[in-house]
Amino acid sequence: EADIYQTPRYLVIGTGKKITLECSQTMGHDKMYWYQQDPGMELHLIHYSYGVNSTEKGDLSSESTVSRIRTEHFPLTLESARPSHTSQYLCASTRQDGNTGELFFGEGSRLTVL
Amino acid sequence: GNSVTQMEGPVTLSEEAFLTINCTYTATGYPSLFWYVQYPGEGLQLLLKATKADDKGSNKGFEATYRKETTSFHLEKGSVQVSDSAVYFCALRQTIQGAQKLVFGQGTRLTINP
Repeated sequence: EADIYQTPRYLVIGTGKKITLECSQTMGHDKMYWYQQDPGMELHLIHYSYGVNSTEKGDLSSESTVSRIRTEHFPLTLESARPSHTSQYLCASTRQDGNTGELFFGEGSRLTVL
Repeated sequence: GNSVTQMEGPVTLSEEAFLTINCTYTATGYPSLFWYVQYPGEGLQLLLKATKADDKGSNKGFEATYRKETTSFHLEKGSVQVSDSAVYFCALRQTIQGAQKLVFGQGTRLTINP
């Protein structure tokens, strides 16, 4: 079982609200990721981190921001949510050990913006 | 750039049927290849992987062989069960200019009818 947790699992909010999606892992992994999964199932990398104080933009442009102050914690924030942000957000982590390690995923946070 | 192309879904089969989900990739060098599975309402979890040419990954009756000559990593199972209903993602992982990249295919939704 993977020890990576996301909260909330489901969130319905109104336009203009600020939201933070939490992601925590207890495996001591250096690398963490945020993926956005659209209704067609495709996964898009929006942010990643190599370790504490490291954050990078992913392949898909996103209005969200992330921070990595502690190894185990990688929250994602939307300052002003819009209906176009409605999606499922998946957090993942892996050890810093080359190409062969697997990613461990959280169960996802499904965001609906009205 | 690197890319992964999966067989278009959805795929619907009867229980005990033979399953093949095609996956081909484009990459320079020697990426590692993965199949992830996403059950309804959950995050992704690793199903199997192969890290070099001719390796065969296997798990839960599923198999996939890393074929460098055809740049393929097709997923197969001899006799599917209703519990195999899920979305399956093919992925590759490779280090490019010092950055580790994990690229997913678009996913294939599999439904098994009793």
